[in-house]
Amino acid sequence: DIVMTQSPDSLAMSLGERATINCKSSQSVLHSSNNKNYLVWYQQKPGQPPKVLINWASTRESGVPDRFSGSGSGTDFTLTISSLQAEDVAVYYCQQFYSTPRTFGQGTKVEIK
Amino acid sequence: QITLRESGPTLVKPTQTLTLTCTFSGFSLNTGGVGVDWIRQPPGKALEWLALIYGDDNKIYSPSLKSRLTITKDTSKNQVVLTMTNMDPVDTATYYCAHRAESVDRYWGQGTLVTVSS
Repeated sequence: DIVMTQSPDSLAMSLGERATINCKSSQSVLHSSNNKNYLVWYQQKPGQPPKVLINWASTRESGVPDRFSGSGSGTDFTLTISSLQAEDVAVYYCQQFYSTPRTFGQGTKVEIK
Repeated sequence: QITLRESGPTLVKPTQTLTLTCTFSGFSLNTGGVGVDWIRQPPGKALEWLALIYGDDNKIYSPSLKSRLTITKDTSKNQVVLTMTNMDPVDTATYYCAHRAESVDRYWGQGTLVTVSS
């Protein structure tokens, strides 16, 4: 199985600050046939199911605010919230879908300082 | 509009078999490109993918749980059923079903909490 490791486990930032979450996979999730990274970022708010923010590592889903961006390739990925808003308080997960079983990171809890 | 809803028992005893039903609307599960996943999340913990069934009836299971899982679909009822045998307290979790298309699970049910306890 591909192991996904996120850092940090939690972070507390002030409103308007930039928040950065890292995700590292134990093997590359970049598919050579199409040069796509098989990585998704989810946001999960308390009591809710996860919501897709970013797919293919850097493609923002329709309706997702542009303060959310994804970057990286191969084994190292980053989710950035450029200006943290109160409604961004949530747990964020990365997930690889390069191989079965699909595996998730352990999650990063984002709070307001 | 795509919606999914999980249903099943909230409490099962150790060693029992869990049967969960995902009832969906807004799509048909009869083409190979569309599927329904089951994912679970123990309280306060991370997500774990369990199984997937495609519209062409292709089924894929988590290798670590494969011996305990069965996923089936009833296209006429717009339902997907997951059974998990030999339940244990560590299987206590919220179980989600999700619609998969173009490799992405964009639509999720609200989840159902299953507690395993005697």
